[in-house]
Amino acid sequence: DIQMTQSPSTLSASVGDRVTITCRASQSISGWLAWYQHKSGKAPKLLISKASSLESGVPSRFSGSGSGTEFTLTISSLQPDDFATYYCQEYDGYLHSFGQGTKLEIK
Amino acid sequence: QMQLQESGPGLVKPSETLSLTCTVSGDSISSSSYYWAWIRQPPGKGLEWIGFIKYRGNDYYDPSLESRVTISMDTSKNQFSLNLRSLTAADTAVYYCARHLIYYGLHYWGQGTLVTVSS
Repeated sequence: DIQMTQSPSTLSASVGDRVTITCRASQSISGWLAWYQHKSGKAPKLLISKASSLESGVPSRFSGSGSGTEFTLTISSLQPDDFATYYCQEYDGYLHSFGQGTKLEIK
Repeated sequence: QMQLQESGPGLVKPSETLSLTCTVSGDSISSSSYYWAWIRQPPGKGLEWIGFIKYRGNDYYDPSLESRVTISMDTSKNQFSLNLRSLTAADTAVYYCARHLIYYGLHYWGQGTLVTVSS
Protein backbone atom coordinates (compact mmCIF):
# COMPACT_ATOMS: atom_id res chain seq x y z
CA ASP A 1 0.00 0.00 0.00
CA ILE A 2 1.15 3.52 -0.76
CA GLN A 3 1.21 5.93 2.17
CA MET A 4 0.77 9.65 1.57
CA THR A 5 2.26 12.12 4.03
CA GLN A 6 1.31 15.78 3.92
CA SER A 7 3.09 18.65 5.64
CA PRO A 8 2.43 20.77 7.47
CA SER A 9 -0.74 19.57 9.20
CA THR A 10 -1.72 23.15 9.94
CA LEU A 11 -0.60 26.32 8.23
CA SER A 12 -1.32 29.84 9.46
CA ALA A 13 -1.06 32.54 6.83
CA SER A 14 -2.41 35.94 5.85
CA VAL A 15 -4.29 37.18 2.81
CA GLY A 16 -1.77 37.84 0.09
CA ASP A 17 0.79 35.31 1.34
CA ARG A 18 2.35 32.66 -0.85
CA VAL A 19 1.96 29.21 0.70
CA THR A 20 3.20 25.76 -0.19
CA ILE A 21 1.91 22.38 0.96
CA THR A 22 3.98 19.24 0.45
CA CYS A 23 2.81 15.69 -0.15
CA ARG A 24 5.19 12.72 -0.12
CA ALA A 25 4.42 9.23 -1.34
CA SER A 26 5.99 6.14 0.20
CA GLN A 27 6.87 4.91 -3.30
CA SER A 28 6.85 6.40 -6.77
CA ILE A 29 3.42 7.28 -8.15
CA SER A 30 4.76 8.94 -11.31
CA GLY A 31 2.46 11.95 -11.68
CA TRP A 32 -0.78 10.34 -10.57
CA LEU A 33 -1.63 12.84 -7.86
CA ALA A 34 -4.63 15.06 -7.25
CA TRP A 35 -5.19 17.97 -4.88
CA TYR A 36 -8.56 18.80 -3.31
CA GLN A 37 -9.93 21.73 -1.36
CA HIS A 38 -12.43 20.89 1.36
CA LYS A 39 -14.60 23.29 3.29
CA SER A 40 -16.68 22.21 6.25
CA GLY A 41 -20.16 21.04 5.28
CA LYS A 42 -19.38 20.93 1.58
CA ALA A 43 -18.13 18.32 -0.85
CA PRO A 44 -14.40 18.37 -1.60
CA LYS A 45 -13.42 20.12 -4.80
CA LEU A 46 -10.83 18.82 -7.27
CA LEU A 47 -8.24 21.54 -7.89
CA ILE A 48 -5.38 19.81 -9.67
CA SER A 49 -4.99 16.45 -11.37
CA LYS A 50 -1.95 14.64 -12.77
CA ALA A 51 0.19 16.58 -10.29
CA SER A 52 0.12 19.85 -12.19
CA SER A 53 -3.00 20.14 -14.38
CA LEU A 54 -5.30 22.86 -13.15
CA GLU A 55 -8.97 21.92 -13.34
CA SER A 56 -11.32 24.11 -15.31
CA GLY A 57 -12.57 27.08 -13.32
CA VAL A 58 -9.86 26.88 -10.64
CA PRO A 59 -8.05 30.21 -10.18
CA SER A 60 -4.56 30.42 -11.63
CA ARG A 61 -3.09 31.31 -8.22
CA PHE A 62 -3.23 27.57 -7.53
CA SER A 63 -0.46 25.45 -8.99
CA GLY A 64 0.92 21.96 -8.51
CA SER A 65 4.26 20.39 -9.23
CA GLY A 66 6.28 17.28 -8.63
CA SER A 67 6.66 13.71 -9.77
CA GLY A 68 7.77 10.40 -8.35
CA THR A 69 7.41 10.73 -4.59
CA GLU A 70 7.39 14.46 -3.82
CA PHE A 71 4.70 16.93 -4.78
CA THR A 72 3.71 20.46 -3.87
CA LEU A 73 0.60 22.61 -4.00
CA THR A 74 1.28 26.33 -4.11
CA ILE A 75 -1.14 29.20 -3.68
CA SER A 76 0.62 32.28 -4.99
CA SER A 77 -1.43 34.96 -3.24
CA LEU A 78 -3.92 33.78 -0.63
CA GLN A 79 -7.48 35.03 -0.92
CA PRO A 80 -10.11 34.91 1.85
CA ASP A 81 -11.94 32.09 0.03
CA ASP A 82 -8.82 29.88 0.14
CA PHE A 83 -8.89 29.18 3.87
CA ALA A 84 -9.88 25.51 3.95
CA THR A 85 -8.37 22.05 4.33
CA TYR A 86 -6.34 20.65 1.45
CA TYR A 87 -5.77 16.99 0.66
CA CYS A 88 -3.55 15.17 -1.76
CA GLN A 89 -4.62 11.81 -3.19
CA GLU A 90 -2.60 9.33 -5.17
CA TYR A 91 -4.25 7.27 -7.89
CA ASP A 92 -1.42 5.15 -9.18
CA GLY A 93 -2.88 1.65 -9.43
CA TYR A 94 -6.15 0.71 -7.83
CA LEU A 95 -5.76 1.84 -4.21
CA HIS A 96 -6.24 5.59 -4.02
CA SER A 97 -5.14 6.83 -0.60
CA PHE A 98 -5.39 10.39 0.71
CA GLY A 99 -2.88 12.40 2.66
CA GLN A 100 -3.96 13.35 6.18
CA GLY A 101 -4.81 16.92 5.16
CA THR A 102 -3.43 20.42 5.71
CA LYS A 103 -5.65 22.95 7.43
CA LEU A 104 -4.96 26.44 6.13
CA GLU A 105 -5.89 28.99 8.79
CA ILE A 106 -6.02 32.75 8.90
CA LYS A 107 -3.12 34.21 10.87
CA GLN B 1 -25.76 18.44 -15.24
CA MET B 2 -23.88 15.73 -13.44
CA GLN B 3 -25.13 15.08 -9.91
CA LEU B 4 -24.60 12.42 -7.27
CA GLN B 5 -26.83 11.97 -4.23
CA GLU B 6 -26.23 9.68 -1.28
CA SER B 7 -29.16 8.10 0.55
CA GLY B 8 -29.46 5.76 3.50
CA PRO B 9 -29.97 5.62 7.26
CA GLY B 10 -28.49 8.29 9.47
CA LEU B 11 -28.29 6.02 12.50
CA VAL B 12 -27.18 2.41 12.61
CA LYS B 13 -26.58 0.09 15.57
CA PRO B 14 -23.19 -1.46 16.36
CA SER B 15 -22.57 -4.85 14.74
CA GLU B 16 -25.18 -4.14 12.04
CA THR B 17 -24.64 -3.49 8.33
CA LEU B 18 -24.68 -0.04 6.73
CA SER B 19 -26.21 0.20 3.27
CA LEU B 20 -25.86 3.45 1.34
CA THR B 21 -26.92 4.19 -2.21
CA CYS B 22 -25.59 6.82 -4.59
CA THR B 23 -28.00 7.91 -7.31
CA VAL B 24 -26.30 9.37 -10.36
CA SER B 25 -28.04 11.82 -12.70
CA GLY B 26 -26.79 13.61 -15.76
CA ASP B 27 -24.64 10.73 -16.97
CA SER B 28 -24.70 6.95 -17.20
CA ILE B 29 -22.72 4.80 -14.79
CA SER B 30 -22.30 2.34 -17.65
CA SER B 31 -19.11 3.94 -18.90
CA SER B 32 -15.58 2.62 -18.91
CA SER B 33 -14.21 6.14 -18.44
CA TYR B 34 -15.03 6.30 -14.75
CA TYR B 35 -14.64 4.61 -11.42
CA TRP B 36 -17.50 4.99 -8.93
CA ALA B 37 -16.08 5.60 -5.47
CA TRP B 38 -16.95 5.93 -1.80
CA ILE B 39 -15.01 8.14 0.61
CA ARG B 40 -15.69 8.95 4.24
CA GLN B 41 -14.66 11.52 6.83
CA PRO B 42 -14.93 10.63 10.53
CA PRO B 43 -15.65 13.57 12.84
CA GLY B 44 -12.55 15.71 13.32
CA LYS B 45 -10.47 13.58 10.96
CA GLY B 46 -9.39 13.59 7.34
CA LEU B 47 -10.78 12.02 4.21
CA GLU B 48 -10.56 8.24 3.97
CA TRP B 49 -10.78 6.43 0.66
CA ILE B 50 -13.04 3.38 0.98
CA GLY B 51 -12.98 1.93 -2.52
CA PHE B 52 -14.49 1.96 -5.98
CA ILE B 53 -16.15 -0.17 -8.62
CA LYS B 54 -15.59 -0.20 -12.35
CA TYR B 55 -18.32 -0.83 -14.92
CA ARG B 56 -17.99 -4.45 -16.06
CA GLY B 57 -14.85 -4.65 -14.00
CA ASN B 58 -13.53 -5.33 -10.59
CA ASP B 59 -14.00 -3.55 -7.31
CA TYR B 60 -11.14 -2.36 -5.10
CA TYR B 61 -11.05 -1.50 -1.42
CA ASP B 62 -8.84 0.01 1.21
CA PRO B 63 -7.04 -2.92 2.84
CA SER B 64 -8.16 -1.87 6.31
CA LEU B 65 -11.83 -2.20 5.28
CA GLU B 66 -11.64 -4.92 2.64
CA SER B 67 -12.97 -7.70 4.88
CA ARG B 68 -16.13 -5.71 5.73
CA VAL B 69 -17.02 -3.73 2.62
CA THR B 70 -18.73 -4.36 -0.72
CA ILE B 71 -19.49 -1.85 -3.47
CA SER B 72 -21.99 -2.82 -6.16
CA MET B 73 -23.73 -1.27 -9.16
CA ASP B 74 -27.32 -1.29 -10.44
CA THR B 75 -27.15 0.00 -13.99
CA SER B 76 -30.93 -0.22 -14.44
CA LYS B 77 -31.33 2.42 -11.72
CA ASN B 78 -28.10 4.28 -12.48
CA GLN B 79 -27.02 3.73 -8.89
CA PHE B 80 -24.12 2.27 -7.00
CA SER B 81 -24.10 1.16 -3.40
CA LEU B 82 -21.91 0.66 -0.34
CA ASN B 83 -22.37 -2.15 2.17
CA LEU B 84 -20.26 -2.00 5.34
CA ARG B 85 -20.63 -4.84 7.79
CA SER B 86 -19.92 -5.32 11.50
CA LEU B 87 -20.16 -1.65 12.33
CA THR B 88 -18.48 -0.02 15.30
CA ALA B 89 -18.45 3.55 16.57
CA ALA B 90 -15.27 4.10 14.55
CA ASP B 91 -17.40 3.87 11.39
CA THR B 92 -19.28 7.03 12.34
CA ALA B 93 -18.54 9.47 9.53
CA VAL B 94 -19.82 11.59 6.69
CA TYR B 95 -19.95 9.26 3.70
CA TYR B 96 -19.45 10.65 0.20
CA CYS B 97 -19.97 9.04 -3.16
CA ALA B 98 -17.95 10.35 -6.07
CA ARG B 99 -17.05 9.80 -9.70
CA HIS B 100 -13.39 9.26 -10.47
CA LEU B 101 -12.48 10.25 -14.01
CA ILE B 102 -9.70 7.89 -15.04
CA TYR B 103 -6.30 9.69 -15.14
CA TYR B 104 -7.78 12.76 -13.44
CA GLY B 105 -9.28 12.17 -10.01
CA LEU B 106 -12.54 12.55 -8.13
CA HIS B 107 -14.31 15.00 -10.40
CA TYR B 108 -17.83 14.97 -9.03
CA TRP B 109 -18.95 14.38 -5.46
CA GLY B 110 -22.22 13.98 -3.64
CA GLN B 111 -22.96 16.33 -0.77
CA GLY B 112 -22.28 13.63 1.79
CA THR B 113 -24.46 11.91 4.36
CA LEU B 114 -23.73 11.62 8.07
CA VAL B 115 -23.94 8.11 9.46
CA THR B 116 -23.79 7.62 13.20
CA VAL B 117 -23.15 4.19 14.71
CA SER B 118 -24.73 4.05 18.11
CA SER B 119 -27.07 1.88 20.12
